[in-house]
Amino acid sequence: QKEVEQDPGPLSVPEGAIVSLNCTYSNSAFQYFMWYRQYSRKGPELLMYTYSSGNKEDGRFTAQVDKSSKYISLFIRDSQPSDSATYLCAMLFGNEKLTFGTGTRLTIIP
Amino acid sequence: DAEITQSPRHKITETGRQVTLACHQTWNHNNMFWYRQDLGHGLRLIHYSYGVHDTNKGEVSDGYSVSRSNTEDLPLTLESAASSQTSVYFCASGTSGVQETQYFGPGTRLLVL
Repeated sequence: QKEVEQDPGPLSVPEGAIVSLNCTYSNSAFQYFMWYRQYSRKGPELLMYTYSSGNKEDGRFTAQVDKSSKYISLFIRDSQPSDSATYLCAMLFGNEKLTFGTGTRLTIIP
Repeated sequence: DAEITQSPRHKITETGRQVTLACHQTWNHNNMFWYRQDLGHGLRLIHYSYGVHDTNKGEVSDGYSVSRSNTEDLPLTLESAASSQTSVYFCASGTSGVQETQYFGPGTRLLVL
């Protein structure tokens, strides 16, 4: 079993819809939870990160962490075609290295 | 503006050849990382460095080596390229003590024939 599980998709939604992307994990020691966005043939870029449980909002993006269920989510409101990308979750604890999910490929249909 | 660059962006080589991928960052970050990205596996850590002359093995280090002689550069060497090393390679850098924030380069696509 992988430490971090992420549905690879692909996921296609119409423009303006709310998108929900999710990851589950098995290591209860994880403390930091990140979401990276990766456009085609580009490097990943950090979108958001949260520490421990709770919600964090940044514009149209909301990151949610439920440590009791070992489940994290990224919500995108009013989705735009420019949001079409692969979204990778990542996690770490202490001074350890990032552990990435496999990524979910998202397409927003105009 | 500070940035992280990788070269070459594309590389085709033959089995058994030695290959070196370059990574250069102008963020003045102490931490640098090499990952490979493959379908179904996501990003996997190959090697990493927390400073000059410091190098450490990651999850998939066999067949790869790195050296850190200055802050800006962390070249990745494939000692004897194998077809299983066909992949997209990403370099990243970050600040010490802020592991959650890493800045990635644009990637190098390597094909080993």
